[in-house]
Amino acid sequence: GNSVTQMEGPVTLSEEAFLTINCTYTATGYPSLFWYVQYPGEGLQLLLKATKADDKGSNKGFEATYRKETTSFHLEKGSVQVSDSAVYFCALSDIAAGNKLTFGGGTRVLVKP
Amino acid sequence: SAVISQKPSRDICQRGTSLTIQCQVDSQVTMMFWYRQQPGQSLTLIATANQGSEATYESGFVIDKFPISRPNLTFSTLTVSNMSPEDSSIYLCSVKSGQAYEQYFGPGTRLTVT
Repeated sequence: GNSVTQMEGPVTLSEEAFLTINCTYTATGYPSLFWYVQYPGEGLQLLLKATKADDKGSNKGFEATYRKETTSFHLEKGSVQVSDSAVYFCALSDIAAGNKLTFGGGTRVLVKP
Repeated sequence: SAVISQKPSRDICQRGTSLTIQCQVDSQVTMMFWYRQQPGQSLTLIATANQGSEATYESGFVIDKFPISRPNLTFSTLTVSNMSPEDSSIYLCSVKSGQAYEQYFGPGTRLTVT
């Protein structure tokens, strides 16, 4: 079956530091890949997506590239802000699995001023 | 993207009772899903809500415990029945429209069972 593994948190950074959250996946088909963000006390927001190999998703300074050869979709941001403190979820969706989202365990990021 | 609302936003319930959560979308969508997020955990899919037919449940979730309705293309309900403290979670609905790859989530319902 499908699965997503992402680095455990919490990740604590200083403002303007570089952020990387690793995500790897296992899928039987050709999945689409997503990063969702959950700010404290809120629901999930779609941060970015990539639907095929070598696609790069980007939004709000965050980027992730769909790497089929390493089955990875690592999230990066060059200079984080306090407002980026949140839980980040890597996820995949596979048409062969009925378009259901499979989530990683989530990574809590805390950015200190 | 679709605008999704959920009611209630939060509730505190006694064990043994039931709670029905509503999910409303501002446009017609192809697929609607219900997820559970236990405290400090990731999201787990409960079921896919099918319009005009029974929901499709994931392993570990049953209709008697989590009955779901979807009377039209913009609305669905999830009932958490005969609640116990282990049901304390955030329940989220999500939608997928047409050929879009992504799903969008409602704000969630935070349920505490005492």
